[in-house]
Amino acid sequence: GESVGLHLPTLSVQEGDNSIINCAYSNSASDYFIWYKQESGKGPQFIIDIRSNMDKRQGQRVTVLLNKTVKHLSLQIAATQPGDSAVYFCAEITGNTGKLIFGQGTTLQVKP
Amino acid sequence: GAGVSQSPSNKVTEKGKDVELRCDPISGHTALYWYRQRLGQGLEFLIYFQGNSAPDKSGLPSDRFSAERTGESVSTLTIQRTQQEDSAVYLCASSSGGLAGDEQFFGPGTRLTVL
Repeated sequence: GESVGLHLPTLSVQEGDNSIINCAYSNSASDYFIWYKQESGKGPQFIIDIRSNMDKRQGQRVTVLLNKTVKHLSLQIAATQPGDSAVYFCAEITGNTGKLIFGQGTTLQVKP
Repeated sequence: GAGVSQSPSNKVTEKGKDVELRCDPISGHTALYWYRQRLGQGLEFLIYFQGNSAPDKSGLPSDRFSAERTGESVSTLTIQRTQQEDSAVYLCASSSGGLAGDEQFFGPGTRLTVL
């Protein structure tokens, strides 16, 4: 069946360092991927997305990399700040509906 | 502008009781989604409404779960004869269309606890 999973449940980084959060997906037919940030008590918030015809996309302080050969997705956060502390989820979409398949999540802890 | 709102924010109920959870999407959004999030886990898709099309109910875990949507506005998720394993946060999201590239905006969720 479909599944999206994350390699590490918790990532702890020093403020100012770069963070890398990884995600593995199993459905090679997925063609759209999104990273979400979820703070405690809130719903997920969109960070960045990437389509399967791309291998890299950059936003403000964030970069998403897609490696379709090994079905791997990563989120890089530059100069991590305390406000980046949250749970990060990757999600995938197959086809052209908005139905999201989520991974388990990685908790990012930023130490001052 | 107003985002997605959900009510109640918290609901405690006894096993066997029915519950109704409400979602108010962003005005004008034609697509509405319900997800369930168990403690420490990712979100699980439950059901998806898009305009006047038949809803995609493929994620509903049992026939105790149902959802309705009135036009392109409010949606209610109903869980009948609640069980302890139904305890979770139920999240609603809406998007301007129902396509993959349409950003989904999430509400804060309803935390359901079944005793």
